[in-house]
Amino acid sequence: EAGVAQSPRYKIIEKRQSVAFWCNPISGHATLYWYQQILGQGPKLLIQFQNNGVVDDSQLPKDRFSAERLKGVDSTLKIQPAKLEDSAVYLCASTSGAGGYNEQFFGPGTRLTVL
Amino acid sequence: GDSVTQMEGPVTLSEEAFLTINCTYTATGYPSLFWYVQYPGEGLQLLLKATKADDKGSNKGFEATYRKETTSFHLEKGSVQVSDSAVYFCALTGLTGGGNKLTFGTGTQLKVEL
Repeated sequence: EAGVAQSPRYKIIEKRQSVAFWCNPISGHATLYWYQQILGQGPKLLIQFQNNGVVDDSQLPKDRFSAERLKGVDSTLKIQPAKLEDSAVYLCASTSGAGGYNEQFFGPGTRLTVL
Repeated sequence: GDSVTQMEGPVTLSEEAFLTINCTYTATGYPSLFWYVQYPGEGLQLLLKATKADDKGSNKGFEATYRKETTSFHLEKGSVQVSDSAVYFCALTGLTGGGNKLTFGTGTQLKVEL
């Protein structure tokens, strides 16, 4: 079974530029998460989708971050404009259900460096 | 809100030494507790979990017991190997703000030397 795929693996941009990350979850997984992991910290949830609807985006900085999951499968996370403090690893995870606890499977992450 | 506190690293041990990584939590209700591991260059992987008080999660020689009275979920292994070198994250799920939201600690880096 293929795991969660993310691209690109690395991205370097200048501040105020825009950037987009892509995630393809495990086939059949209805729930998709984006986490931000700043160096030396644990991952922090940015947004959770159930199919193509948003369940939780309370910690997403909506003035600059946006995410979509148009067909309930792939998802993109965008930052526009980027700030220095956005330098982090962006992790995508997916799980098969939303009720109770279902193991979240994580992708390898995209490491973003903002100069 | 929910939070997880774990011991700072790096923790450096010799092979076959005993490992303990402390983890305590603050949460409303009855969270499920987890340890995730991140090997160099790889994504996060679930190591073990416990869903209710006094449950013991175990995997690959690692164990952790859900202690509600001390709000703790310490990770232990009797004899570590070089291959256990990784970053370990304690985490919990609560139901605030949506189902299955994971709240992580800051991670503890483990280095095992020959």
